Amino acid sequence: QQPVQSPQAVILREGEDAVINCSSSKALYSVHWYRQKHGEAPVFLMILLKGGEQKGHEKISASFNEKKQQSSLYLTASQLSYSGTYFCGTGSGAGTASKLTFGTGTRLQVTL
Amino acid sequence: DSGVTQTPKHLITATGQRVTLRCSPRSGDLSVYWYQQSLDQGLQFLIQYYNGEERAKGNILERFSAQQFPDLHSELNLSSLELGDSALYFCASSVGWDLGNTIYFGEGSWLTVV
Repeated sequence: QQPVQSPQAVILREGEDAVINCSSSKALYSVHWYRQKHGEAPVFLMILLKGGEQKGHEKISASFNEKKQQSSLYLTASQLSYSGTYFCGTGSGAGTASKLTFGTGTRLQVTL
Repeated sequence: DSGVTQTPKHLITATGQRVTLRCSPRSGDLSVYWYQQSLDQGLQFLIQYYNGEERAKGNILERFSAQQFPDLHSELNLSSLELGDSALYFCASSVGWDLGNTIYFGEGSWLTVV
């Protein structure tokens, strides 16, 4: 089942902060965050794993609440280049039958 | 540049036709994924292969099929095309087969069915 992202869209001024949330109805093994600009490939930002392991870019931070089946992506001191659509992808199992299911995305626009 | 290569970048074809999309994973990656992205559906998982074997299947239509070859490149075959198949098709790859691995996406193949 598709994870739910909130907000659906947000407009920021350069330098402001934002939080994007991702919530699933299923127990999660991993949460993957991507940023996509229109017509381009999704770019990997961060992966969070059950148990607390995180892999990603230094300037990106995120949290993963396994009990609540939620993840949040924190964007601080936003830059114009942060504009795009942010997707969370959730994985419910580490095994063979697992697959990454993406949310509907959060559109972020950073303005001057 | 993620290192995942997809061809062709753009493709226009007529309804009822068949097309093949090709993907070369990043060097060293054994797992290949195919995703479909249309305006109203977001990123939809189609299928995953790992080292030549099918590992996971999503909402892939029976008209669509994929395979991964011994050199690890993959092809997605779309047949009896319909207008609704128009979308951006992404290939992605990762080192391993489980979801603890980082998945890198290619630039995509734009398919337009007319």
